[in-house]
Amino acid sequence: EDQVTQSPEALRLQEGESSSLNCSYTVSGLRGLFWYRQDPGKGPEFLFTLYSAGEEKEKERLKATLTKKESFLHITAPKPEDSATYLCAVVGSGGYNKLIFGAGTRLAVHP
Amino acid sequence: GAVVSQHPSWVICKSGTSVKIECRSLDFQATTMFWYRQFPKQSLMLMATSNEGSKATYEQGVEKDKFLINHASLTLSTLTVTSAHPEDSSFYICSATLAGGYTDTQYFGPGTRLTVL
Repeated sequence: EDQVTQSPEALRLQEGESSSLNCSYTVSGLRGLFWYRQDPGKGPEFLFTLYSAGEEKEKERLKATLTKKESFLHITAPKPEDSATYLCAVVGSGGYNKLIFGAGTRLAVHP
Repeated sequence: GAVVSQHPSWVICKSGTSVKIECRSLDFQATTMFWYRQFPKQSLMLMATSNEGSKATYEQGVEKDKFLINHASLTLSTLTVTSAHPEDSSFYICSATLAGGYTDTQYFGPGTRLTVL
């Protein structure tokens, strides 16, 4: 069964304190791994799609990496506006485009 | 690019009434649209997948007669909650994938908060 586990469940950082969020997955034939950001009361905002091990993508203070078993979302010098829930999801080869979501990591960045 | 809108953003209705939620892809054509619901502090739960011009595919445990989905065009899908009850109160979110694109990336709408009194 396809499964996604995110850790930690919650993370509190000081502004400027870099850290990483983890997304471990088991899936039959990975078609894609996705990172989203969700603010309270809003729909998820697309961040990255990763397709194969070794792939990396960057956007401003965020960098996503992928191995055969997990993905990391690195946050460099975070700002309070980076506070949100970060969701990881995968689509497997038998998934018919269905996203399998992790429970998310709630990030709070304090000034 | 890849903007998805939902209308309304919030709705309050009386128990027993029906509510329609619209999901539109504003700047792209979407072959497939998805409907999710999300309870407080939980992740998204897929309700159904709809393809333009065909019947929606519902996830196990989702009542298709209660949650009617219509995907009439490549830019519009609607979710109708029929005979709504308080337990249907939730945050409903739609998403869409690009038509003809290789990527399975789903772009999400802003969500609709439904409260049934």
